Amino acid sequence: DTAVSQTPKYLVTQMGNDKSIKCEQNLGHDTMYWYKQDSKKFLKIMFSYNNKELIINETVPNRFSPKSPDKAHLNLHINSLELGDSAVYFCASSQLASSPQGDQYFGPGTRLLVL
Amino acid sequence: AQSVTQPDIHITVSEGASLELRCNYSYGATPYLFWYVQSPGQGLQLLLKYFSGDTLVQGIKGFEAEFKRSQSSFNLRKPSVHWSDAAEYFCAVSSGTYKYIFGTGTRLKVLA
Repeated sequence: DTAVSQTPKYLVTQMGNDKSIKCEQNLGHDTMYWYKQDSKKFLKIMFSYNNKELIINETVPNRFSPKSPDKAHLNLHINSLELGDSAVYFCASSQLASSPQGDQYFGPGTRLLVL
Repeated sequence: AQSVTQPDIHITVSEGASLELRCNYSYGATPYLFWYVQSPGQGLQLLLKYFSGDTLVQGIKGFEAEFKRSQSSFNLRKPSVHWSDAAEYFCAVSSGTYKYIFGTGTRLKVLA
């Protein structure tokens, strides 16, 4: 069973398009995250949701809009895609409500290429 | 502000040799410290973590790490490297909130 899954795994699109990436976790965790990993492998947090509420928004352009329909899902919608959005996007989840030391479990990543 | 530094961008070792990957952190209180591994084309997998107690922590795949408060370090070690250990390794720090800060990673190459 896949703990944290993301779709699609690969996404190639043109500049200016709008695209969405979906994330689902079946671990029963209360907190989910989106990270961006650039071409130099630098991993930076973008958003975090706890029980469907936004708790971290790291000065990400407002073209990026996360949406959490329920605790198990955190989707990322990107409007007007730009070349600089090309990266690998990772979803993660953790159980922080019961333990601040909750481990983060990562999805396999979505490789986005904007042409 | 919290920060994590991994001074070595690339490290190459021979199979069977010992390994040490360096990690230095900046944080006022005792942080929560983590090491993750990322194999090519894969997501990140937790190797080990430190919160309190014994400063030498054991992880999966034969890895261990030692927390040294005086040096603000949390170095990852393995006594004998296997070819399958070739990957990118990330150190991370958390204050116990929802936010993790990751280092820039160290790419490990293993020579046969």
